[in-house]
Order: sequence, then structure tokens, then C-alpha cells
Amino acid sequence: DVKVTQSSRYLVKRTGEKVFLECVQDMDHENMFWYRQDPGLGLRLIYFSYDVKMKEKGDIPEGYSVSREKKERFSLILESASTNQTSMYLCASSPHGRGLYNEQFFGPGTRLTVL
Amino acid sequence: QKEVEQNSGPLSVPEGAIASLNCTYSDRVSQSFFWYRQYSGKSPELIMSIYSNGDKEDGRFTAQLNKASQYVSLLIRDSQPSDSATYLCAVKEYSTLTFGKGTMLLVSP
Repeated sequence: DVKVTQSSRYLVKRTGEKVFLECVQDMDHENMFWYRQDPGLGLRLIYFSYDVKMKEKGDIPEGYSVSREKKERFSLILESASTNQTSMYLCASSPHGRGLYNEQFFGPGTRLTVL
Repeated sequence: QKEVEQNSGPLSVPEGAIASLNCTYSDRVSQSFFWYRQYSGKSPELIMSIYSNGDKEDGRFTAQLNKASQYVSLLIRDSQPSDSATYLCAVKEYSTLTFGKGTMLLVSP
């Protein structure tokens, strides 16, 4: 079974703090993704990575950065947390592919509250 | 901007009935389609994937795809209260997925 883990289930930070969210997958997947999910807005892609040290902006990259130094690990960084970044953050991974089989598998999520 | 549309619901069905969840998408060249189930407070869980026109069955779940109409559906037979969740439709574009906002399903005992 694909296993995607995230470093924290719940996190409370203060405005202006630097926040690191870590994601690790154990299936040797090339692709990794960070989403945020908010009521009424659905899942929105922040950043994704298709290889080590490679990254691509998603739909809402502003205020975020990412790091992928190893294939199995993808980090999301909030340089200076703001209250509008309070959300559920979901990490996912998938095998490489422009082919048909590109199912994404999600981690358990991190509920971040910024006070 | 590619779009995936779902009725937000809630869709209410009695236990034992068939639940029908629908999804339309805007990009004609999309080739792969996925259904995820998400329980409240949990992360999405993949339940079905479909790539060819027609039906694909897996236990109580059937996914249906009609590319000409740009329409994907999920049927849940013999619905159970444990099926109560939000169901997300996702459409593949290159290496990413575009998700609908989900349909909430409520199955009453």
C-alpha cells in the first residue's frame, strides 16, 4: 500500500512565524503535490514537484515555497504565516506519467491554525 | 481554466438504495478520471479510476464515463450509512489533477 505521511495532524502558529510542513512517501513516486482545502473552495493546488529539486507552481503559490531535496520528501514552507493561511493542508504523491495511470494518494492532512 | 463541476448536495438516499453522483468536465482531451471519497475531517481516499468509455465495476461501486458528453458518474449500490461522505471527482491533465468541489452524500438508516 502507498503510504504518505505528514509531520503533524494539527499545528497552531502565530502570525509572522515561519512554518514547515513535511511530507514523506514510501512508494518511490516521482510526483508530489501540496494542496490546501477550504470549505466551499475545494482542493487547490499550491505547488508540485516531478523530480528532486524540481518544482512547479500550482494555482495558488503566493505566500508559499517548497523544497524537494530527496525523492521521498516534499516540504511546504510558509515564510511568514498569515491568518488567511489557516487551512487543511494535504500532501499527495503519484507515479510519474503522462500516461493514463496517475492516481494520486493523499497523506492524512495537517490542520494549520494561524493566530 | 479547466473546470470540473459537481452538484454540492447533499444527496440524501435511504439505506439500501442506489446513490448516483455526477460530474462534468470542460477539457475534451482529458483521458483519466478518478473518484475520491472524503470523510469529514479526513483526507481523500481513491475509490475508482476510469479511462475508457463505458462502465467499470468494483464491488458496490460503478464508474461510468461518456467522453462525448464529457460526463463521469459514480453509482453506489446498496448504499450504507458508512458511505456518508463527500465524493470528489478528479480529472487528469498532464501530471496534475483538477478536482471538483465534491458532492456530499447522506445515507439514512
